[in-house]
Amino acid sequence: EAAVTQSPRNKVTVTGGNVTLSCRQTNSHNYMYWYRQDTGHGLRLIHYSYGAGNLQIGDVPDGYKATRTTQEDFFLLLELASPSQTSLYFCASSDAGSAETLYFGSGTRLTVL
Amino acid sequence: QQKVQQSPESLSVPEGGMASLNCTSSDRNFQYFWWYRQHSGEGPKALMSIFSDGDKKEGRFTAHLNKASLHVSLHIRDSQPSDSALYFCAARGNTGGLSGKLTFGEGTQVTVIS
Repeated sequence: EAAVTQSPRNKVTVTGGNVTLSCRQTNSHNYMYWYRQDTGHGLRLIHYSYGAGNLQIGDVPDGYKATRTTQEDFFLLLELASPSQTSLYFCASSDAGSAETLYFGSGTRLTVL
Repeated sequence: QQKVQQSPESLSVPEGGMASLNCTSSDRNFQYFWWYRQHSGEGPKALMSIFSDGDKKEGRFTAHLNKASLHVSLHIRDSQPSDSALYFCAARGNTGGLSGKLTFGEGTQVTVIS
């Protein structure tokens, strides 16, 4: 089964703080995604990428930057964290094609005080 | 308005019983549907996909898709305690072979009561 590893597992920061969430997949998948999960909203797409150096804007991108440095690594950056960004963040990857399945990591719980 | 809406929000089912989950899309471009399952403390995992009208069965799980009404359902037969989880419906349109972003519903929390 596809392996997607996220770090850290938990993160606490203060309003205005700088946060980087990391994701690595070891299955040579082309596509990687960042989602946030909030009760009542399900999973919402923040940013995604087709490959190293590529970045696509998702549905809720405000306040977030992302960077895909290699095929394996995808980072989510919060440069001025706000309490509204307190959430559970998931990274996912998938192979190319129209019928692909997403493989999710275990998540990072971020709290912004 | 959420493009993918699920009902009910939560569902309790006795062990060995049948659980039925519903999902409706408001976007006629959506042609591909998935069900994902998330156990507490874990990431979501794909349960099954359905792309054609009709039923698709995988073990104790049966999905049904009606593209005309943009409705997809999931039925869990002989429910087990391990089926207790948050279930998401997800959908996307035809992106011509490129990976398209999935749109998820709000989720249905299923609790199997022993």
